[in-house]
Amino acid sequence: GAVVSQHPSRVICKSGTSVKIECRSLDFQATTMFWYRQFPKKSLMLMATSNEGSKATYEQGVEKDKFLINHASLTLSTLTVTSAHPEDSSFYICSALTDRNGYTFGSGTRLTVV
Amino acid sequence: AQSVSQHNHHVILSEAASLELGCNYSYGGTVNLFWYVQYPGQHLQLLLKYFSGDPLVKGIKGFEAEFIKSKFSFNLRKPSVQWSDTAEYFCAVSLGSSNTGKLIFGQGTTLQVKP
Repeated sequence: GAVVSQHPSRVICKSGTSVKIECRSLDFQATTMFWYRQFPKKSLMLMATSNEGSKATYEQGVEKDKFLINHASLTLSTLTVTSAHPEDSSFYICSALTDRNGYTFGSGTRLTVV
Repeated sequence: AQSVSQHNHHVILSEAASLELGCNYSYGGTVNLFWYVQYPGQHLQLLLKYFSGDPLVKGIKGFEAEFIKSKFSFNLRKPSVQWSDTAEYFCAVSLGSSNTGKLIFGQGTTLQVKP
C-alpha cells in the first residue's frame, strides 16, 4: 500500500531558529499533500494544503510566513517552521492524497522549541 | 463553518464489552466520512470509510460504522473490544462528492480497554 515517510520523527531546536520537516510519498506520486498540527489531547488541525508546483493554500489563522510549505516535486513536500518559538512546539503530521489510496498519513514529527 | 464533533472524549471499557463512539458533523451537502485510529506512537490508520451506497460500513479489525444522513451521524461500533484496541479514534469528514477535499477531524476519543 501507499507509504508516506515523514522526517525527522523528533526534533529539538532553539528559539529563533528554523526547522524543516520533510514528507515523502515513497511508492506513489502525490499532487496534493496536507499538513496538520496536533496538540496534546486535541484533534488534528489542518494548517495548509500543499499542491505540487503551486503555492500552498493556508487555513485561516495560520501564518504563511511562519510555516513555509514547499511542494517542489510529486513525491516531496516540506514544512519549514521559521523563527520557531516555544508555542510552536507541537506534533506535525503530513498526509498525501491520491485517487487510488485516498489519504495516507506520515508518522508525524514531534517539534520541541526550547 | 463545517465541524465534526465526537461526543466521547475518554472511554474506558473492559475486554469483550461493546463499543460505540459517536460522531456528528455539520454540513448540509455531500460528505465522505472516515474513522481513523492512532495507536500509541504510531501514525493514523484508516479503519473504514463511507462514500456512498450501503450506509452500514464494515472496516478492519471488526469495526463498523453506520451513516445516518438524517442525524448527520457516523457512529463507530465494535461488538467486543480487545485490549489491543486501546488507542485514539478520530472521526473525519471531507466535503464534496469526490475524494479530493481536505479532511476535517473531530476532537478524538481516547479508548482505554482494560484486560
